[in-house]
Amino acid sequence: QVQLVQSGAEVKKPGSSVKVSCKTSGVTFSTNAISWVRQAPAQGLEWMGAIVPIFHKSKNAQKFEGRLTITADESTSTAYMDLKSLTSDDTAVYFCAREGAGGNFVHWGQGTLVTVSS
Amino acid sequence: DIQMTQSPSSLSASVGDRVTIACRPSQSIGTNLNWYQQKPGKAPKLLIYAASSLQSGVPSRFSGSTSGTDFTLTISTLQPEDFATYYCQQSYSTPYTFGQGTKLEIK
Repeated sequence: QVQLVQSGAEVKKPGSSVKVSCKTSGVTFSTNAISWVRQAPAQGLEWMGAIVPIFHKSKNAQKFEGRLTITADESTSTAYMDLKSLTSDDTAVYFCAREGAGGNFVHWGQGTLVTVSS
Repeated sequence: DIQMTQSPSSLSASVGDRVTIACRPSQSIGTNLNWYQQKPGKAPKLLIYAASSLQSGVPSRFSGSTSGTDFTLTISTLQPEDFATYYCQQSYSTPYTFGQGTKLEIK
């Protein structure tokens, strides 16, 4: 079955960076985009950006330009989300999700809680 | 960016009720509209894609429809496991955007 397994919870200081991984199995990794979606406490869902592994091309929401780097390692079927210059506003659960043909998200990771606190 | 406005933001209903949730995009998105259900502490689950197509494995009491540029999610007969938060999402263009969510609570 399709699985997206994310790395564990992180606690970070303001101004630092965090890197979250998302390992995919049970499905072809390279051809479908992997998106990152975050959810602040008691808030809604926010799309951050995505990568199509086979093209090594990522696209970020403008809000995160300059702070967000999304990469993919085809050899391990793993996508990564690297967010720098963290503030308390970045405290959220971060999800990876595999994009379907129509830009919908059928398969999701379990989520990774990132807490930014001094 | 395309703004997605959901209504209502919260809804109280009873088991067996029929409920509808609306989603209005700030511009035309064709049928590039998806609906998700999210329960506390869990990832969202895709219910409806392309406005009206039922995702495999999702009960048939869930349906999606379009009226003009507006979209609707309908749950025909509420079951206890349906109490959750629902989100619409446009996949017409990036950045993909979600509605603010509708929390469905037990009356």
